[in-house]
Amino acid sequence: AQTVTQSQPEMSVQEAETVTLSCTYDTSESDYYLFWYKQPPSRQMILVIRQEAYKQQNATENRFSVNFQKAAKSFSLKISDSQLGDAAMYFCAYNLGYGGSQGNLIFGKGTKLSVKP
Amino acid sequence: GAVVSQHPSWVICKSGTSVKIECRSLDFQATTMFWYRQFPKQSLMLMATSNEGSKATYEQGVEKDKFLINHASLTLSTLTVTSAHPEDSSFYICSARDSSSYNEQFFGPGTRLTVL
Repeated sequence: AQTVTQSQPEMSVQEAETVTLSCTYDTSESDYYLFWYKQPPSRQMILVIRQEAYKQQNATENRFSVNFQKAAKSFSLKISDSQLGDAAMYFCAYNLGYGGSQGNLIFGKGTKLSVKP
Repeated sequence: GAVVSQHPSWVICKSGTSVKIECRSLDFQATTMFWYRQFPKQSLMLMATSNEGSKATYEQGVEKDKFLINHASLTLSTLTVTSAHPEDSSFYICSARDSSSYNEQFFGPGTRLTVL
């Protein structure tokens, strides 16, 4: 069975600095998708970034980028130039489909990110 | 972009009563919707998968007679918590698949249920 592990329950970063959130996963599949979701205090789940396993190039979305290490089954999220609005819970997720189209998304337990002014 | 709404956003009810939560895809059709439960400071736990026109598939440990799911149309799925008790108090989130957009899942804003 697929599992997603986030080993950092909480992280803190100074405004304008860079922070990296860790995620590891376990799967026997060779083709799959990985996601980072943000859940701010409003509790609305927001897709931050998506990575396709067959792509070697790491995904980037503005200040957000990932370090995808397929062999190590590692998928970390780097947030550059952290802003106060980045403070939220961040969930790493796995699915066989592009947008979670194959069955349900499998979530990690989350990392609470605090941003200090 | 695809929008999913939930109603109500917050509900308080007495123990023993039933509560219905609606999940709507506003600008797309969703043959599949998912219902999650989230306890404070925890991750999302999948409760069931709702398929339009058929019975929902429940995850192990979720009582289907307590959490009734109806997906009667391509834009609406409902979750009814029957005979609610304080331990059912939680945050319930739905997501819906947009079949016109790579079957991507979009999340609703959630419903906070408090059972007194």
